[in-house]
Amino acid sequence: EAGVTQSPTHLIKTRGQQATLRCSPISGHTSVYWYQQALGLGLQFLLWYDEGEERNRGNFPPRFSGRQFPNYSSELNVNALELEDSALYLCASSLGGFNTEAFFGQGTRLTVV
Amino acid sequence: GENVEQHPSTLSVQEGDSAVIKCTYSDSASNYFPWYKQELGKRPQLIIDIRSNVGEKKDQRIAVTLNKTAKHFSLHITETQPEDSAVYFCAASYFGSSNTGKLIFGQGTTLQVKP
Repeated sequence: EAGVTQSPTHLIKTRGQQATLRCSPISGHTSVYWYQQALGLGLQFLLWYDEGEERNRGNFPPRFSGRQFPNYSSELNVNALELEDSALYLCASSLGGFNTEAFFGQGTRLTVV
Repeated sequence: GENVEQHPSTLSVQEGDSAVIKCTYSDSASNYFPWYKQELGKRPQLIIDIRSNVGEKKDQRIAVTLNKTAKHFSLHITETQPEDSAVYFCAASYFGSSNTGKLIFGQGTTLQVKP
C-alpha cells in the first residue's frame, strides 16, 4: 500500500512569489492535514481538510490556503512568500471521522530566498 | 491557548539503558496522545498512542503512561538501541463530536543512544 506522497520534495522560491505544494493521501483516507515544521519550532498545525471541506485552520495568516480535491488529494498554497516561511511542510492523512491515527508524508522543503 | 510542553529537549543514554520523555498538556479536553519518531531526513512515524480512557499502554520496548489529573504523559523506552536515536515528538488532541482534527505537538526531544 502506498503511503502519503508529497511533491515536490524541494522547492526554492523568491520572496513575494507563490508556492504550491501537493499531497496525495493513503488510499481510502478522506482527511488531510498540513503542518509546518520550522527549525526549532516543532510541528505547527496549518490546515485540516475532510471530505473536500476545510474543517479547521491553525494560527497562520490568510496567505496560507489550500483545498482538497474530489479524489481527496490536497494542495497547500502560500502567497506573498516571506523568508520566515522557509520550513519543511508535512502532510498527513487519516481515515477521518473519529479515527485518529495520522500518517505523514516525507514533506516538502520550501526555501524562500 | 492549547499548548504541549515536552522535556527534555535532548537526551543522551548508553545503549541498554532506559529513556524517559515527559509531556504536559494544557487543554483538559484532550483525549488522544500519540508519540511520533522522526529520524534525520525522514517523515514522523507513529510509534505508540494512548487514549484518555487508559492509564498505560505497552508495545515491546516502548510504553506510554498518562496521568489525566496532572495532564501529563510520558514515553518510556527500555533497553535502548542505537537505532532508537531520533527526534521524538509527543502530541495531544481532542477527537469527538466536536472534532478539531489537529494535533498539538511538543517541541521534540533529540534522543542519542551511544553504543
